[in-house]
Amino acid sequence: SQQGEEDPQALSIQEGENATMNCSYKTSINNLQWYRQNSGRGLVHLILIRSNEREKHSGRLRVTLDTSKKSSSLLITASRAADTASYFCATQGNSGNTPLVFGKGTRLSVIA
Amino acid sequence: NAGVTQTPKFRVLKTGQSMTLLCAQDMNHEYMYWYRQDPGMGLRLIHYSVGEGTTAKGEVPDGYNVSRLKKQNFLLGLESAAPSQTSVYFCASRTPNQETQYFGPGTRLLVL
Repeated sequence: SQQGEEDPQALSIQEGENATMNCSYKTSINNLQWYRQNSGRGLVHLILIRSNEREKHSGRLRVTLDTSKKSSSLLITASRAADTASYFCATQGNSGNTPLVFGKGTRLSVIA
Repeated sequence: NAGVTQTPKFRVLKTGQSMTLLCAQDMNHEYMYWYRQDPGMGLRLIHYSVGEGTTAKGEVPDGYNVSRLKKQNFLLGLESAAPSQTSVYFCASRTPNQETQYFGPGTRLLVL
């Protein structure tokens, strides 16, 4: 079964606004990753946060992780029309070669 | 580097036909993965491999077989296609000491 559950399933915002997506998971993890998928394309890695980290930044992306609540959030600041895509969280367990388990994704639409 | 490539990009099969999807990577990655993506379901792991000559089952392995005869290639086979296997198939790869995965562009399969 899928580990991560993103919320909301879909999000529509105006260009320039911030977008926040949430991910909840069920079991202990080594790390949590966020991926982006443009329509009809493969997934592209955005950012990784380890279980001993609470917050991480990369450009306009900010990720938080709360292991006590088993949840993470992805914040995209000053959104652009080009940010329109689906965003997936993926968790990796504590064994070194454990495959990633993906959530169902959040579809973000940024309206110009 | 081409990264991760998938062949074919699109295929239509009749129920009962067989086919093989090819995934190739030129990054010398040890680990390779096959996922399927269905609307509203996110990505689900079919099979994966942690090295040449080794394979393991993922979350949804039934109806599929895989082979990893060469390190750079990971083949996904459908022996007798069923309409339930209509999906978009993604291959991914990574190294053991880097948690992020690199995805191919996907193969869209329609089984009639």
